[in-house]
Amino acid sequence: AQKITQTQPGMFVQEKEAVTLDCTYDTSDQSYGLFWYKQPSSGEMIFLIYQGSYDEQNATEGRYSLNFQKARKSANLVISASQLGDSAMYFCAMREGSTGGFKTIFGAGTRLFVKA
Amino acid sequence: DAGVTQSPTHLIKTRGQQVTLRCSPISGHKSVSWYQQVLGQGPQFIFQYYEKEERGRGNFPDRFSARQFPNYSSELNVNALLLGDSALYLCASSPTVGLAEETQYFGPGTRLLVL
Repeated sequence: AQKITQTQPGMFVQEKEAVTLDCTYDTSDQSYGLFWYKQPSSGEMIFLIYQGSYDEQNATEGRYSLNFQKARKSANLVISASQLGDSAMYFCAMREGSTGGFKTIFGAGTRLFVKA
Repeated sequence: DAGVTQSPTHLIKTRGQQVTLRCSPISGHKSVSWYQQVLGQGPQFIFQYYEKEERGRGNFPDRFSARQFPNYSSELNVNALLLGDSALYLCASSPTVGLAEETQYFGPGTRLLVL
């Protein structure tokens, strides 16, 4: 079964508008971390934002915010005031495990296109 | 401060050959993880190393192996290369063995093409 599901293969957004990228996850762990990464065409994975499973407040980092709904197991990324440079692949990821070792599981990604 | 570095940036090999990829973590980071990203997919976890010990392994065959050195740098080895091993190989570092909330920082990757 998919542990991280990103149902939007591609999304278009007009420059300066907000966009939401969907992510649902599946885990039986009580403690886990949720991350969003941006991957431009160069290939490097750029960390954007983190949400801990025990965090009650939604995480925010500049123009990025994470809409965390624990009961629904969703962790959607909201990008406000989109810029042309936001065009890239976006990956939702979950970190789970124990103190013996953790692994990060990625979704299939959503390609975002920002239109001028 | 330097980020995660990987070498080489690109590599072309033929089937059956062996390849070694290298990664240097961020200064002060003791954990290194390796991921394989096939074109059009998300990264897949291969290994995590911490303090020179393997702490996690993904669903990859024994052709894949890795090690970590005292300076926390790491090598990923792949033997008997197959066409399907063509991918972007990403290395990520984090300060410790990892807590759920610990962020991993990725290097630029090594693009491997197997002909």
